[in-house]
Amino acid sequence: DTAVSQTPKYLVTQMGNDKSIKCEQNLGHDTMYWYKQDSKKFLKIMFSYNNKELIINETVPNRFSPKSPDKAHLNLHINSLELGDSAVYFCASSPRQTGEYRSSYNEQFFGPGTRLTVL
Amino acid sequence: LAKTTQPISMDSYEGQEVNITCSHNNIATNDYITWYQQFPSQGPRFIIQGYKTKVTNEVASLFIPADRKSSTLSLPRVSLSDTAVYYCLVGDKAPGRRALTFGSGTRLQVQP
Repeated sequence: DTAVSQTPKYLVTQMGNDKSIKCEQNLGHDTMYWYKQDSKKFLKIMFSYNNKELIINETVPNRFSPKSPDKAHLNLHINSLELGDSAVYFCASSPRQTGEYRSSYNEQFFGPGTRLTVL
Repeated sequence: LAKTTQPISMDSYEGQEVNITCSHNNIATNDYITWYQQFPSQGPRFIIQGYKTKVTNEVASLFIPADRKSSTLSLPRVSLSDTAVYYCLVGDKAPGRRALTFGSGTRLQVQP
């Protein structure tokens, strides 16, 4: 019954390879995100998708490409992996704001993370 | 989003009350204060949110002075399982499509 799930949990790969991380949420949320947490534990936004539309694309290399086949999934594809890509990647989701404007908080629900190690 | 400043780390013992203070001198009128908790090897989890005065839920209390330039997260009677990183965020109450901006957080270590 995991709300936000990611696969794989661990990913070890060589430089130059292409890899994907999958994310699924069963909360019926409209918006999904990808965050990167580096070795210093800083958590930074990478992408955000709302109803399959990219609405945020922070300054990440174009080797990273989010793909959303449907509202419940937001996968992260990474081309030509580099050593600096080693980090923990978190997927998150939040609901569409409803009701009185700003009356409720759109809490973000995070997945368990994927630890990527590039050798 | 307003920048936040928190202590890098704190130590406590089981059963004590822990207060973590966050400074946000440039908080805007429409900004709310939100705290997330992150356990090792897990994603962050929402704890509490407030605008002014005091907010309390089953997990924590949040104290916000009148000038709103700081806030204090209070954890009553901590246990070993409260060992985690606590993030203070300041921004729109309903970020909706907008992403959260996390600072460095406060690493709380609870000792037996």
